[in-house]
Amino acid sequence: DIQVTQSPSSLSASVGDRVTITCRASQSISSSLNWYQQKPGKAPKLLIYAASSLQSGVPSRFSGSGSGTDFTLTISSLEPEDFATYYCQQSYSPLPYTFGQGTMLEIK
Amino acid sequence: QVQLVESGGGVVQFGRSLRLSCAASGFTFSSYAMHWVRQAPGKGLEWVAVISHDGSNKHNADSVKGRFTISRDNSQNTLYLQMNSLRAEDSAVYYCAGSSGNYFDYWGQGTLVTVSS
Repeated sequence: DIQVTQSPSSLSASVGDRVTITCRASQSISSSLNWYQQKPGKAPKLLIYAASSLQSGVPSRFSGSGSGTDFTLTISSLEPEDFATYYCQQSYSPLPYTFGQGTMLEIK
Repeated sequence: QVQLVESGGGVVQFGRSLRLSCAASGFTFSSYAMHWVRQAPGKGLEWVAVISHDGSNKHNADSVKGRFTISRDNSQNTLYLQMNSLRAEDSAVYYCAGSSGNYFDYWGQGTLVTVSS
């Protein structure tokens, strides 16, 4: 199975900061990498698919980049509602899909 | 708007069975592959199973192979997960999720399954 490793596992930042979260796959997965945001007690929400495509309705301060094995999620200027846990997920064939372990973004 | 509503969770004894349901509305259910994804308390996300839009293809994670069966009824816009031989490590919130591509567009609110000894 393809493993995905996220870093950091937790991060403290302030409103207005620029934040970057990294995901590394155990083998090349082309652009088959997606990002989700999850708030406590809620279901995950799709932010970015295919490494860099912004899901409809997601604010443009979120962006994704990368291909092959290394990917990043960037939030250009943190808003209060962005404090949450973020997961990457690889969707390269064959199954299974696998998720990173998550990055908890906390208010400094 | 899009809604996925899971039901059927609860407390079940080790080794017993449970069937989860996921009722879909607000989108063309029969055009979407559907998945189950679970999350143990305080832990990360784990993909469990997928079924193609027409039900002809199914795949399970190794951790549930031979014990869990995914199915769907497109006439009722409903997804199912039959869970047999439940173990403590199956305790989690179970989410149904719809995918138009190789990602999870839509998610339900989840249903909690607790396996007790």
